[in-house]
Amino acid sequence: SAVISQKPSRDICQRGTSLTIQCQVDSQVTMMFWYRQQPGQSLTLIATANQGSEATYESGFVIDKFPISRPNLTFSTLTVSNMSPEDSSIYLCSVYRGADTYEQYFGPGTRLTVT
Amino acid sequence: AQKITQTQPGMFVQEKEAVTLDCTYDTSDPSYGLFWYKQPSSGEMIFLIYQGSYDQQNATEGRYSLNFQKARKSANLVISASQLGDSAMYFCAMREGGGGFKTIFGAGTRLFVKA
Repeated sequence: SAVISQKPSRDICQRGTSLTIQCQVDSQVTMMFWYRQQPGQSLTLIATANQGSEATYESGFVIDKFPISRPNLTFSTLTVSNMSPEDSSIYLCSVYRGADTYEQYFGPGTRLTVT
Repeated sequence: AQKITQTQPGMFVQEKEAVTLDCTYDTSDPSYGLFWYKQPSSGEMIFLIYQGSYDQQNATEGRYSLNFQKARKSANLVISASQLGDSAMYFCAMREGGGGFKTIFGAGTRLFVKA
């Protein structure tokens, strides 16, 4: 299994501010994924982050709102910019590991509350 | 477009009994993978079981088995001998083949195990 850590584990932020979430993986991976889980909802993919290239965003998510960095093969950050209460969610990073690449692992998540 | 449907928002089961969580999917890709994840109240996503579209046999992992009915496009999760620790949210997910890594998730089923 992959060991994934996220910082912070939770935060309470004021609207209009920004928060950067860090994701660290215990080994090198090509792709890292960022998901959002709004309260009581399922997971929605925000973007795919490849090292050395721009992140690929899913429909409904834009770089200005969710800028992503991927400086190396074990680390990525997701920033939630100009936050509003609607951004209150759990944000999870995820990677694939294993020869068959079907093993998908998730970080413990960052619980964000925007007041 | 691919789609995952979980029609049971909540399920109750008596401890030590078996329970089936329903999942149907829709895709036009002949190559795909189906997954089940468990999310306890702590928020972490725990990988339970995987079924490939070309797999001839139903996947099993300990007390978990996946009842894969390809013609009906269903991938139900069966948990045998339920335990109190099985109380959690369960998500069915699908990833299409062809080298893609985007996983989509169903709405989830909350399972309550009664003592």
